[in-house]
Amino acid sequence: SQTIHQWPATLVQPVGSPLSLECTVEGTSNPNLYWYRQAAGRGLQLLFYSVGIGQISSEVPQNLSASRPQDRQFILSSKKLLLSDSGFYLCAWIPSGGGYTFGSGTRLTVV
Amino acid sequence: SQQGEEDPQALSIQEGENATMNCSYKTSINNLQWYRQNSGRGLVHLILIRSNEREKHSGRLRVTLDTSKKSSSLLITASRAADTASYFCATDAYSGYSTLTFGKGTMLLVSP
Repeated sequence: SQTIHQWPATLVQPVGSPLSLECTVEGTSNPNLYWYRQAAGRGLQLLFYSVGIGQISSEVPQNLSASRPQDRQFILSSKKLLLSDSGFYLCAWIPSGGGYTFGSGTRLTVV
Repeated sequence: SQQGEEDPQALSIQEGENATMNCSYKTSINNLQWYRQNSGRGLVHLILIRSNEREKHSGRLRVTLDTSKKSSSLLITASRAADTASYFCATDAYSGYSTLTFGKGTMLLVSP
């Protein structure tokens, strides 16, 4: 079956610390993968998307980066977190049919 | 930037009533999608309507799309307390690759 895994579920990190969020998809190959961020009370903002290994497109310039080291793995990183990086981070992919499937999300609080 | 704008921002109804949420967008689209988000959880895809479609049904959901007005509506009939959630519309312009642009959402509260 096709599933998406995202971890950790919650994370509290100090300002200036590094970040690594991981997303993996099972049961498919060469998926389009996406990272979105949701600030409190707002809709989702597209951060990065990837159509293949090593191919990353950035939608919004910011303190974050993404990598796709393997076909079904998508990583969101930061070298030094800012307070403004706090939010709910969601990974997603597109199964057949067109609708996106989202992971369960990571609640990041930068303190 | 946010393309879709949902209206109303919040909606409170009683069980059994119908709930209607509207979405407006600005640019041409390939399709429009509606998602539901329960508090603190990931988004769940509800329904996708393509730009050449005008209406689509799925269970108690009815979605309409008016590309001339750049607007869509989501109707939930016979609401249940379990429908309490935030609902988002998202547009896919598909300029080479699929990417979704989301609105800010409508928070629906269905009281027993």
